[in-house]
Amino acid sequence: KQEVTQIPAALSVPEGENLVLNCSFTDSAIYNLQWFRQDPGKGLTSLLLIQSSQREQTSGRLNASLDKSSGRSTLYIAASQPGDSATYLCAVDTGRRALTFGSGTRLQVQP
Amino acid sequence: EAGVAQSPRYKIIEKRQSVAFWCNPISGHATLYWYQQILGQGPKLLIQFQNNGVVDDSQLPKDRFSAERLKGVDSTLKIQPAKLEDSAVYLCASSLGSGNSGYTFGSGTRLTVV
Repeated sequence: KQEVTQIPAALSVPEGENLVLNCSFTDSAIYNLQWFRQDPGKGLTSLLLIQSSQREQTSGRLNASLDKSSGRSTLYIAASQPGDSATYLCAVDTGRRALTFGSGTRLQVQP
Repeated sequence: EAGVAQSPRYKIIEKRQSVAFWCNPISGHATLYWYQQILGQGPKLLIQFQNNGVVDDSQLPKDRFSAERLKGVDSTLKIQPAKLEDSAVYLCASSLGSGNSGYTFGSGTRLTVV
């Protein structure tokens, strides 16, 4: 059974810092890994999707990496801003069933 | 393209009452999912449809939860009778199919059972 773990559970940083969110998964046989953002009381917004054959994806200040063999992914946020405050969720797709999510990292960027 | 539509946005009911949620996926998306997200946790799959057939309902509490997807498009999720522990956000998502497909989520329905 696929299990996804995210560390840390919560993070508070001053504005302008670069930060890294971690995600690990137990079954390396994945089709893709997706990072989502969730604002309080809202649904999920897809940030980055990394196919199993890819090593990383970039979008603006966000960079996500994937190491299938070690079961790890990281989300790097450069020059953090107060508007980045949200919960970030990692989810893996094994192609057989629906996405399996981690519990998320709650990020607070202090102005 | 239009996103995944869900209604209602919020619902407050008393325990033992019934409630229903509605989802309209992105046009052409064959796969539809219902997730339950309890506060502080990641979403957990309740049921997955492929067109109008059920692919996975192994985590659906079938004694009180039911779901259907009529004509392979819209879907409803029902809880009867509700319990306090059902308080959560219910998220609907759709995709073209399993594997290598991006998922699109609706805004969710926040259910409070008192």
